[in-house]
Amino acid sequence: ETGVTQTPRHLVMGMTNKKSLKCEQHLGHNAMYWYKQSAKKPLELMFVYSLEERVENNSVPSRFSPECPNSSHLFLHLHTLQPEDSALYLCASSQIKTGGGEKLFFGSGTQLSVL
Amino acid sequence: TQLLEQSPQFLSIQEGENLTVYCNSSSVFSSLQWYRQEPGEGPVLLVTVVTGGEVKKLKRLTFQFGDARKDSSLHITAAQPGDTGLYLCAGRSLNDYKLSFGAGTTVTVRA
Repeated sequence: ETGVTQTPRHLVMGMTNKKSLKCEQHLGHNAMYWYKQSAKKPLELMFVYSLEERVENNSVPSRFSPECPNSSHLFLHLHTLQPEDSALYLCASSQIKTGGGEKLFFGSGTQLSVL
Repeated sequence: TQLLEQSPQFLSIQEGENLTVYCNSSSVFSSLQWYRQEPGEGPVLLVTVVTGGEVKKLKRLTFQFGDARKDSSLHITAAQPGDTGLYLCAGRSLNDYKLSFGAGTTVTVRA
């Protein structure tokens, strides 16, 4: 497999459930990201991991908990979500270099519905 | 977070027609990227523009970065149904290189 793979593609969960989203990148990149995409709104950056260290956390509620066990894998653990958390969750990876300008490679996303 | 406004929000045209979508901001960017996202998939990078006034062509797609590096446009010539998708612009800030996305323009090309 190549690129960035996300599972599951679709997830329906109740507000009391606990679930996890998985992302795997096969590109040898040194950074991984979680984005939230809601209809008619810009992509919202949630978390950034660089070399397996969390370098950014954009005021995301604690009901979202990221985990990056190695440079190829990224998880987003979900618990006690709210209906407004329903969205497409996108994982991305990039090769961070000095001065920015890196390209993001996105997975196909997990379409999450919270009932 | 730097605000990028994309217009129009939706665009529906007939195959063979031309179209232009816009990405505007009051902020200056070190670079700007355009992505296309097809239904059920993640965004895919089309181009990165870096220099003010820069024009890049990718087959029937022409990308322009404004002279002041605050805005950009994407022009598609002789659109085809395969051009259908959500077009997103993303600007990288001068100071911390953070990437901010616009809300996108949904383009539908009818056969």
